[in-house]
Amino acid sequence: KAGVTQTPRYLIKTRGQQVTLSCSPISGHRSVSWYQQTPGQGLQFLFEYFSETQRNKGNFPGRFSGRQFSNSRSEMNVSTLELGDSALYLCASSSGQGDIYEQFFGPGTRLTVL
Amino acid sequence: QKEVEQNSGPLSVPEGAIASLNCTYSDRVSQSFFWYRQYSGKSPELIMSIYSNGDKEDGRFTAQLNKASQYVSLLIRDSQPSDSATYLCAVNERNTGKLIFGQGTTLQVKP
Repeated sequence: KAGVTQTPRYLIKTRGQQVTLSCSPISGHRSVSWYQQTPGQGLQFLFEYFSETQRNKGNFPGRFSGRQFSNSRSEMNVSTLELGDSALYLCASSSGQGDIYEQFFGPGTRLTVL
Repeated sequence: QKEVEQNSGPLSVPEGAIASLNCTYSDRVSQSFFWYRQYSGKSPELIMSIYSNGDKEDGRFTAQLNKASQYVSLLIRDSQPSDSATYLCAVNERNTGKLIFGQGTTLQVKP
């Protein structure tokens, strides 16, 4: 079974630009969660999508948004980039149902904002 | 603010020893607990999940959960240099898609 894939793996942007990151979950998984990882703040939850609906949201500004398509692939968008948005962005795939809620991470997208 | 606390380390153990990693959490209604391993420059890899009080063993790894004490631990037996990594404790918020992570414990296994 193929794992979680994320594209692109690396991005360099300048302040004020916007960026879109993509995540394809494990086949059959309907939940995709997004996280931001920085050395200072660690891993922080951004949001979760399940069956094309945002099911949970973390404490990030509205510049961070996402969506999910009918094939469960998800995109995350960051508008008006700031220097502090430089981070590793990770998506995690899960079945999203039942008592077992294991999440499996993709390789991540390394975003650098200059 | 719900929190997950880990000792950042580094925890240094000799090859072949038992490494003991600890984690406490603040939300009493948390139901699912996970340990991830993250090598430098890589993404987190799920190595153990535990839902019930007691021990759960998988190969050289044993997860221990004590909900009354809000404590979860990971034991790594016969530690190998390849186990050197950062270990992240994560708590699932009431079986949602939100994981709350600790800051991670860096483990160094010396040959």
